[in-house]
Amino acid sequence: IQLTQSPSFLSASVGDRVTITCRASQGISSYLAWIQQKPGNAPKLLIYAASTLQSGVPSRFSGSGSGTEFTLTISSLQPEDFATYYCQQLNSYPYSFGQGTKLELK
Amino acid sequence: EVQLVESGGGLVQPGGSLRLSCAASEFTFNTYAMSWVRQAPGKGLEWVSAISGSGGNTYYADSVKGRFTISRDNSKNTLYLQMNSLRAEDTALYYCAKANYYGSGDYYYWFDPWGQGTLVTVSS
Repeated sequence: IQLTQSPSFLSASVGDRVTITCRASQGISSYLAWIQQKPGNAPKLLIYAASTLQSGVPSRFSGSGSGTEFTLTISSLQPEDFATYYCQQLNSYPYSFGQGTKLELK
Repeated sequence: EVQLVESGGGLVQPGGSLRLSCAASEFTFNTYAMSWVRQAPGKGLEWVSAISGSGGNTYYADSVKGRFTISRDNSKNTLYLQMNSLRAEDTALYYCAKANYYGSGDYYYWFDPWGQGTLVTVSS
């Protein structure tokens, strides 16, 4: 199953609302996670089951979608949110990741 | 706090072998599937392999099938990745991750936490 994220690069300002889209090549129900990675750090889980916020993750992060189209929304960007974001499908093996979306400060 | 610590990375020549380890603590290791995920320098995440809690089921990416073997020792709370016939394109930071789940019948899975990774460099 191939995952395609858009955009691959996103330039935004603190306080902006941003949305990242992940499209699956076939239906994956809600078996999708969103992961954040900052330079030099291990990946960190944000959202699982498409829309369930991981404990400790700020509520400005939200996920939605099912089937083949999913979105990650950050309602009001904070300085610590500038990072690379990946979607991951856990519907079936081999698991796969999107190519990533790098969120940069405008 | 759940902790995963990888080790065993290093520099190896093409065609060589390496065994990675991932030491787990603060959770009931044998009840969770585990995975390896890698990240080539400057690139994205690539899922490599997974193993069930009992060790009876294993899964591989096509890119490593037949060359890598995932295993676990539940008595030692340790996950392994035996890598043979290594290629330059296997150069990456290798992470282990715990596969959490919920549900009944159909389960939802997610990876959390991830270790800090161990670097494998394949070069002559």
